[in-house]
Amino acid sequence: GENVEQHPSTLSVQEGDSAVIKCTYSDSASNYFPWYKQELGKGPQLIIDIRSNVGEKKDQRIAVTLNKTAKHFSLHITETQPEDSAVYFCAAKGSSNYQLIWGAGTKLIIKP
Amino acid sequence: EAGVTQFPSHSVIEKGQTVTLRCDPISGHDNLYWYRRVMGKEIKFLLHFVKESKQDESGMPNNRFLAERTGGTYSTLKVQPAELEDSGVYFCASSQDWSGGNGELFFGEGSRLTVL
Repeated sequence: GENVEQHPSTLSVQEGDSAVIKCTYSDSASNYFPWYKQELGKGPQLIIDIRSNVGEKKDQRIAVTLNKTAKHFSLHITETQPEDSAVYFCAAKGSSNYQLIWGAGTKLIIKP
Repeated sequence: EAGVTQFPSHSVIEKGQTVTLRCDPISGHDNLYWYRRVMGKEIKFLLHFVKESKQDESGMPNNRFLAERTGGTYSTLKVQPAELEDSGVYFCASSQDWSGGNGELFFGEGSRLTVL
């Protein structure tokens, strides 16, 4: 079946450094890839998304890259800050029912 | 504008009991979704309402789960009888447009269910 693998499960970086979270999807027909951030005690919130006709998208300190050939997409956060600490989820839109298929999440810890 | 609200935030029940989770979507959002996340694993799709109709319930695990959205406003998800493997966090999300699955989802804080 369709699935999305996300790595790492936990990522600890020094404040000010960059963080990269990677996801691999199985459905080659997927064409929409959002990233959600879940802060403690809150629900997931969309932070950035990318469609399959674009290779990269940036929004201030965050960027997402997509490699359709390899079926990989990644989230890049530069100049990390304490408020970046959260669980990040990647997802891919499935082609069978157009619902999102989610990764298992990455807990990002920003060390002061 | 109020966000998506879910109730209860945490429920602890014994195996075999019944639990009903409630979700109030953002006002005006026709699309309502239920998801579940088991500890440390991926968020899994359960079902999708458009107004009061079940658009897609392919993710519902079995017939112990019943979702309703009478009147197209709030939704309830009932688990009866609950089993140990039903433990997890149940998220509700809503969106204004379906957009073929490309639209932003607005999530509630989740209802944590613990079945003992």
